[in-house]
Amino acid sequence: NAGVTQTPKFRILKIGQSMTLQCTQDMNHNYMYWYRQDPGMGLKLIYYSVGAGITDKGEVPNGYNVSRSTTEDFPLRLELAAPSQTSVYFCASSDTGVFGNQPQHFGDGTRLSIL
Amino acid sequence: AQSVTQLDSHVSVSEGTPVLLRCNYSSSYSPSLFWYVQHPNKGLQLLLKYTSAATLVKGINGFEAEFKKSETSFHLTKPSAHMSDAAEYFCVVSELNRDDKIIFGKGTRLHILP
Repeated sequence: NAGVTQTPKFRILKIGQSMTLQCTQDMNHNYMYWYRQDPGMGLKLIYYSVGAGITDKGEVPNGYNVSRSTTEDFPLRLELAAPSQTSVYFCASSDTGVFGNQPQHFGDGTRLSIL
Repeated sequence: AQSVTQLDSHVSVSEGTPVLLRCNYSSSYSPSLFWYVQHPNKGLQLLLKYTSAATLVKGINGFEAEFKKSETSFHLTKPSAHMSDAAEYFCVVSELNRDDKIIFGKGTRLHILP
């Protein structure tokens, strides 16, 4: 029972490089989310999706892009990596329901350093 | 607008003694409230949730929380701490009004002393 799977677990990027953080879930959840977690700051919502083909901005979307071509996958792309994007990134999913009313299932995170 | 404040960034208790992690929130509408736990190098795991049913909510691993509307609080408690409870705990609030999305508290690190 995999749940939410994120790859890679760790990555170091140089300033200006690009990369895609992968996220897949096997629970057939319609809602998926991307967060970043900075020390002492809790989690901030970057983007979310309420179903395949539908995405929307969260609290801190600048510098990121997402797509949702299937129910299972929700990749997060950094086009021009900047030091401010050094963080731990979490993907989550939740069952159909009113936005925010359902508990979320989290992956184990991707630790990203931009040097 | 909604917000959530975890009143303590660190809490230390001895094994076998009660745990209290404090959370205050503000919300314009009927909020959903959650507590999540995060162990080192892991994602967040749901402990319990409140969604306008019973005000005393029981969760996993012996944790519970009480929703007090008059005090705008949703404190997390456990009668007897165990070493395995050492982790970071997050209080989360969300509303039916989608404009405000989901707000996470900054977290409380729970230390268990032997």
